[in-house]
Amino acid sequence: RKEVEQDPGPFNVPEGATVAFNCTYSNSASQSFFWYRQDCRKEPKLLMSVYSSGNEDGRFTAQLNRASQYISLLIRDSKLSDSATYLCVVDFYKLSFGAGTTVTVRA
Amino acid sequence: EAQVTQNPRYLITVTGKKLTVTCSQNMNHEYMSWYRQDPGLGLRQIYYSMNVEVTDKGDVPEGYKVSRKEKRNFPLILESPSPNQTSLYFCASSRTGQEPQHFGDGTRLSIL
Repeated sequence: RKEVEQDPGPFNVPEGATVAFNCTYSNSASQSFFWYRQDCRKEPKLLMSVYSSGNEDGRFTAQLNRASQYISLLIRDSKLSDSATYLCVVDFYKLSFGAGTTVTVRA
Repeated sequence: EAQVTQNPRYLITVTGKKLTVTCSQNMNHEYMSWYRQDPGLGLRQIYYSMNVEVTDKGDVPEGYKVSRKEKRNFPLILESPSPNQTSLYFCASSRTGQEPQHFGDGTRLSIL
């Protein structure tokens, strides 16, 4: 079983829509969780950390469910510029990256 | 400006010809790491380093070497490159191994 698994998508949504997707992780002792964004084979960039109580950053909301071992990312009011691949990252003793969920926002 | 710098950005070479991809960071980070990214497989860690002179294998170390003689530099060495090492490579650094990492721009290697 992979340490971190993501639905690869693609999620194809219209501008203004809400899109949400999950990421599951295998190690219950994982301590840190992050979402990264990667544009078309460029370098991954940190989007946001994920805290136990859930957190928001503008139109982005991240949630952690330790009981079911998944994290989620919700994007509200999608913009064309949100089109990217979103990487789930989970730490146990080192960071493990998911393969990414591709989101395409269309006009 | 805080950054991780990789060179070269692109390289096409032939099987068996030794090559080195350099990585340098200016943030005084202790932790550095190399990844390769292949379609459908995501980022896979090749080697990492917790500090100077301390390196460890990641998930896919075969065919690669690294060194960490100075804190800022972490070169990736392919002694005898093969076509299955054709990939997009990223170097990353962070203060510790559990914190978010800063990535370089990537190096696209093609081994013919």
